[in-house]
Amino acid sequence: RKEVEQDPGPFNVPEGATVAFNCTYSNSASQSFFWYRQDCRKEPKLLMSVYSSGNEDGRFTAQLNRASQYISLLIRDSKLSDSATYLCAVNIVVGGSTLGRLYFGRGTQLTVWP
Amino acid sequence: SAVISQKPSRDICQRGTSLTIQCQVDSQVTMMFWYRQQPGQSLTLIATANQGSEATYESGFVIDKFPISRPNLTFSTLTVSNMSPEDSSIYLCSVHGTATNEKLFFGSGTQLSVL
Repeated sequence: RKEVEQDPGPFNVPEGATVAFNCTYSNSASQSFFWYRQDCRKEPKLLMSVYSSGNEDGRFTAQLNRASQYISLLIRDSKLSDSATYLCAVNIVVGGSTLGRLYFGRGTQLTVWP
Repeated sequence: SAVISQKPSRDICQRGTSLTIQCQVDSQVTMMFWYRQQPGQSLTLIATANQGSEATYESGFVIDKFPISRPNLTFSTLTVSNMSPEDSSIYLCSVHGTATNEKLFFGSGTQLSVL
């Protein structure tokens, strides 16, 4: 079983739509969760951290469900500029230590069309 | 966030040769990591570059194939040795600044093609 499983997509939505991505993780000891955005042929860039209480940044909302071991990203009022691949990331825990290492999901491709 | 410069940005290499990728950060950082992203795949952690000591490799990666140096807190190199077409990938340097902050920031990556 992979450490991080992510909706493969692709998601193709019209402008203004709401779209949600999910990501499940296998290590219940994981403590840190993130969403990254990756544009074509570019490096991943941190979009937002995911906190236990859920957090919002403008049109983006991230949530964590520890019981079911998944994180989600909701994008409201999609813009053309939101078209990208979205990667979830979960910290690697080995022997009670993370040492800053992250596992990444495969990424979900989003295309927003006019 | 730190500014991370990675070079070369891309290269095309012959099988059997080696390529060294450099990563320079504009500030001292605690942790540096090397990732690989194969076409259509996720990012896979290769190793943690440790300052002044041998790198810590993840399962499936070995020092003979991917030797790593980290002479100080702002610089690291990754060498891809004895390359084969299966090594064609994007290689990414990443850092985070403090031991308690696990947010990773990435260099612009090296697109490697092996013929």
